[in-house]
Amino acid sequence: NAGVTQTPKFQVLKTGQSMTLQCAQDMNHNSMYWYRQDPGMGLRLIYYSASEGTTDKGEVPNGYNVSRLNKREFSLRLESAAPSQTSVYFCASGSRPLGGEKLFFGSGTQLSVL
Amino acid sequence: AQSVAQPEDQVNVAEGNPLTVKCTYSVSGNPYLFWYVQYPNRGLQFLLKYITGDNLVKGSYGFEAEFNKSQTSFHLKKPSALVSDSALYFCAVRDSGTNAGKSTFGDGTTLTVKP
Repeated sequence: NAGVTQTPKFQVLKTGQSMTLQCAQDMNHNSMYWYRQDPGMGLRLIYYSASEGTTDKGEVPNGYNVSRLNKREFSLRLESAAPSQTSVYFCASGSRPLGGEKLFFGSGTQLSVL
Repeated sequence: AQSVAQPEDQVNVAEGNPLTVKCTYSVSGNPYLFWYVQYPNRGLQFLLKYITGDNLVKGSYGFEAEFNKSQTSFHLKKPSALVSDSALYFCAVRDSGTNAGKSTFGDGTTLTVKP
């Protein structure tokens, strides 16, 4: 059972380059999320998708775009990477946007922007 | 607005001793509270949650947490720590009327259990 799969696991970019982080879940979950994790700052929500066809901004959306390609896949794009976007990125999914369900997380993408 | 605080960056305990990782929260409505654990180079894994009902919640790997409404706390506990419990622990909270992904996470507490 794969759960939530993120690719790539590691990436180094130069300032101004673009890239897309991929995320797929095989649990038939409706909601999917992108977080970034920075030392001493916990997890901060970048964007989320409560259901297929919808996306909404989270706490720190600037510099990012997302696409909910279908129910399984939710990608995060950096159009012009900046050093401030150096972070560890986590994708997560949940069965119901509302309610007490837990989140399932991928193993993360470690991104360095030079 | 909702917020969560984990007042300790680091907790050190000896194997076999009880452990407590502290969490306090603030929400305008009823809270949903969660604990997650993160092992090195891994994503977060769910440990336990409080939604409603009994204030003492039991979760995975022998962990439990006590919801205290008057003190707005949700401390994680385990009666006897194991070296394998060493990891980064996150408390999360959200208002019961909001989207699951809009949970607010604490900054994390690193638990180190020494043999």
